[in-house]
Amino acid sequence: GAVVSQHPSRVICKSGTSVKIECRSLDFQATTMFWYRQFPKKSLMLMATSNEGSKATYEQGVEKDKFLINHASLTLSTLTVTSAHPEDSSFYICSIPSGTRYHNEQFFGPGTRLTVL
Amino acid sequence: AQSVAQPEDQVNVAEGNPLTVKCTYSVSGNPYLFWYVQYPNRGLQFLLKYITGDNLVKGSYGFEAEFNKSQTSFHLKKPSALVSDSALYFCAVRDMNSGYSTLTFGKGTMLLVSP
Repeated sequence: GAVVSQHPSRVICKSGTSVKIECRSLDFQATTMFWYRQFPKKSLMLMATSNEGSKATYEQGVEKDKFLINHASLTLSTLTVTSAHPEDSSFYICSIPSGTRYHNEQFFGPGTRLTVL
Repeated sequence: AQSVAQPEDQVNVAEGNPLTVKCTYSVSGNPYLFWYVQYPNRGLQFLLKYITGDNLVKGSYGFEAEFNKSQTSFHLKKPSALVSDSALYFCAVRDMNSGYSTLTFGKGTMLLVSP
């Protein structure tokens, strides 16, 4: 399967600062990438669908001005958590679909652990 | 709307014994079903999927899952558990009547295999 990397793997920041998380597809061109958030002992929550060359599609309840997504190329999508607060602390995971069909599985990145003090 | 239920927060099994991790789903159309595994502080790894055809699906690391339409279930199984199988397992579903991006995950089941 495709290799997906995320950087950084772990970040600690002060409240009020902004944090950028990168998601790279290392061997696969991805016009679409997904961003998930995972709370402790909880399932994955889809935050947004990142589309190369166009605006991201956000899920209901996700603040697009707070979670800025940029999909500048076929191999890179970034998620910026702006003015981070402690409640934004979470595990953020990106994924890319293996194809465009509904039955295609997703390849997931290793995740980024964000801790906001 | 589509949903997935994993009724067990945790499953404990001794090494060498068979294991089952349960999953039931609800969709309005035909389901595509997936199992993923997550090791601590890692992303998810794809195990197997059901699209159509044979109800018994074989996947990675000796895992298999059985699709049961009448019971709307897709339980994950392995004949002989390994300690290294200990991880968090997620069942997920997508159906054709939902948006392409809508992959719904269950809350996860922690599998603990004791030596």
